[in-house]
Amino acid sequence: DTAVSQTPKYLVTQMGNDKSIKCEQNLGHDTMYWYKQDSKKFLKIMFSYNNKELIINETVPNRFSPKSPDKAHLNLHINSLELGDSAVYFCASSQEGGGTDEKLFFGSGTQLSVL
Amino acid sequence: GESVGLHLPTLSVQEGDNSIINCAYSNSASDYFIWYKQESGKGPQFIIDIRSNMDKRQGQRVTVLLNKTVKHLSLQIAATQPGDSAVYFCAENIRPGAGSYQLTFGKGTKLSVIP
Repeated sequence: DTAVSQTPKYLVTQMGNDKSIKCEQNLGHDTMYWYKQDSKKFLKIMFSYNNKELIINETVPNRFSPKSPDKAHLNLHINSLELGDSAVYFCASSQEGGGTDEKLFFGSGTQLSVL
Repeated sequence: GESVGLHLPTLSVQEGDNSIINCAYSNSASDYFIWYKQESGKGPQFIIDIRSNMDKRQGQRVTVLLNKTVKHLSLQIAATQPGDSAVYFCAENIRPGAGSYQLTFGKGTKLSVIP
């Protein structure tokens, strides 16, 4: 009964490959996010979707494409993986999104290693 | 003691002592702040929040202090336990331009509890 679950936990792949990370939340939240955490633990927002609609799209290469089939799911597809994409990717959700006092609930992360 | 530099700032504390983790935030217009705890291999977990109309909020063994004059936030942990060892992030809710609010994270501080 994990609130925000993402798979896989670990992803090791070669440069140039295409891969996807899946995320699901069972909290009934309207907004979902993808964050990237680098080796120095810095967390940076990539995207947010509110009820399947893209709200935030930070300066992220267009090789990264989020897809939200419904408001409980937000998947991240990455084309032509590069070494610099190696990081931990976190999915998160919040009740409404975009409000003044939103609490985010995070998944346990996907550690992506590009060789 | 505390060390700051190119690496993640680290605070080492003896078990049973109190811990104080500091954070400087960027936007004087931010009106909501959250402290998150991230244990190794897990996602960030909500600890406590505070709105800008308050200067102190207490939880169970944790207290957050907000000084808007100098844009400073601190997290105090009473009677620190080994289970408190983690990376702690402060986050502020920022509204870039006329868009939606988005939660922006600080750099993080690693707390190590010495048994």
